Amino acid sequence: DSGVTQTPKHLITATGQRVTLRCSPRSGDLSVYWYQQSLDQGLQFLIQYYNGEERAKGNILERFSAQQFPDLHSELNLSSLELGDSALYFCASSPPTNEKLFFGSGTQLSVL
Amino acid sequence: GQNIDQPTEMTATEGAIVQINCTYQTSGFNGLFWYQQHAGEAPTFLSYNVLDGLEEKGRFSSFLSRSKGYSYLLLKELQMKDSASYLCAVRALPNTGTASKLTFGTGTRLQVTL
Repeated sequence: DSGVTQTPKHLITATGQRVTLRCSPRSGDLSVYWYQQSLDQGLQFLIQYYNGEERAKGNILERFSAQQFPDLHSELNLSSLELGDSALYFCASSPPTNEKLFFGSGTQLSVL
Repeated sequence: GQNIDQPTEMTATEGAIVQINCTYQTSGFNGLFWYQQHAGEAPTFLSYNVLDGLEEKGRFSSFLSRSKGYSYLLLKELQMKDSASYLCAVRALPNTGTASKLTFGTGTRLQVTL
């Protein structure tokens, strides 16, 4: 158990819908990262927050947004969903010393 | 930007040694990580190199050459449970603040056979 909690574990929805994925980082970690993993593309960095502020942005679509709240939990919002958004979405956190990432167990999103 | 290359698949025999290579190109190198990921599960941390040389941790070792943009993960005494994907990831120096992101390669799927 990495200490990073992600909910829900599985999500099935339809095209055009909107979903919210939730992540609670390890106690004491200030950074939260979101990654998308598709079968053929590996782990793709989406966005990073540090203590509530956006710090880095990767290949995140405009239909996707995220935020980190004062209690440091984070939410990833995916809207106008398309079939191609079906993937495993991972959240990770890292300590203030900024070394390794600890990953949550992921949310498997299926868009039908 | 960053570019990370590693072989897509490898096969090795139980009890043997396997070396998984990773080459990278990045501006502002700030560390290289290896993660193990079983299918459908979260990646788990294996090793971290920021200086040149070999880091040994039990059956797993990782090597880094910053001048060559090259790293390898060495797995000894292979076990069936080592069948997984091995992800090479590079950390770049942050543009602002104290946090920085990891960029992952597409991973090497290792199959350990009897």
